[in-house]
Amino acid sequence: DTEVTQTPKHLVMGMTNKKSLKCEQHMGHRAMYWYKQKAKKPPELMFVYSYEKLSINESVPSRFSPECPNSSLLNLHLHALQPEDSALYLCASSLRSNEEGGQVEMFFGEGSRLTVL
Amino acid sequence: AQSVTQLGSHVSVSEGALVLLRCNYSSSVPPYLFWYVQYPNQGLQLLLKYTSAATLVKGINGFEAEFKKSETSFHLTKPSAHMSDAAEYFCAVSTNNNDMRFGAGTRLTVKP
Repeated sequence: DTEVTQTPKHLVMGMTNKKSLKCEQHMGHRAMYWYKQKAKKPPELMFVYSYEKLSINESVPSRFSPECPNSSLLNLHLHALQPEDSALYLCASSLRSNEEGGQVEMFFGEGSRLTVL
Repeated sequence: AQSVTQLGSHVSVSEGALVLLRCNYSSSVPPYLFWYVQYPNQGLQLLLKYTSAATLVKGINGFEAEFKKSETSFHLTKPSAHMSDAAEYFCAVSTNNNDMRFGAGTRLTVKP
């Protein structure tokens, strides 16, 4: 199994809603990531979890709240979002964190396309 | 901090022609370099990655890239373009901090 599975594929929500994006991998990877990608732009790093602990938070607004319940799952909780938060949210995983040394490659999911009305 | 610059936001080639997508990196430490491809409405797929073992790296779908430290470059090439190669291509760099950074991307168009 070499997949990173993201659900839902599409999500439409109002600015007062609370929703969550989910990401799952069963490759035994110990690092997981959230990226945000706007149309015609590169992915931008949001959060990094290494061994289920948050290791990087790229100054993301608090209306985005990540959670890593276990080594296979990564959630992104959404609350009080703004229309400018509409984007493709990509989850990725890698075998180990760079801090352990050696090159790591990321495996990406298909993304969750979020529209905030 | 490390970064990559992709020269040319859009490259158009004819089917069967050489594909050359340019990437230059900036890093204060030895970098890890990658090329990813993204098809419409999909996630990113790894094409190839740079390991210090070899400067010429071969990837999937006939692509390859050459690491040139003197030029701080990692350009992606393919000898003969195919229609199915049309996509967005991202060069990426990471160091030891789990902080992979992507270039702005190059959209490849293949004309019949």
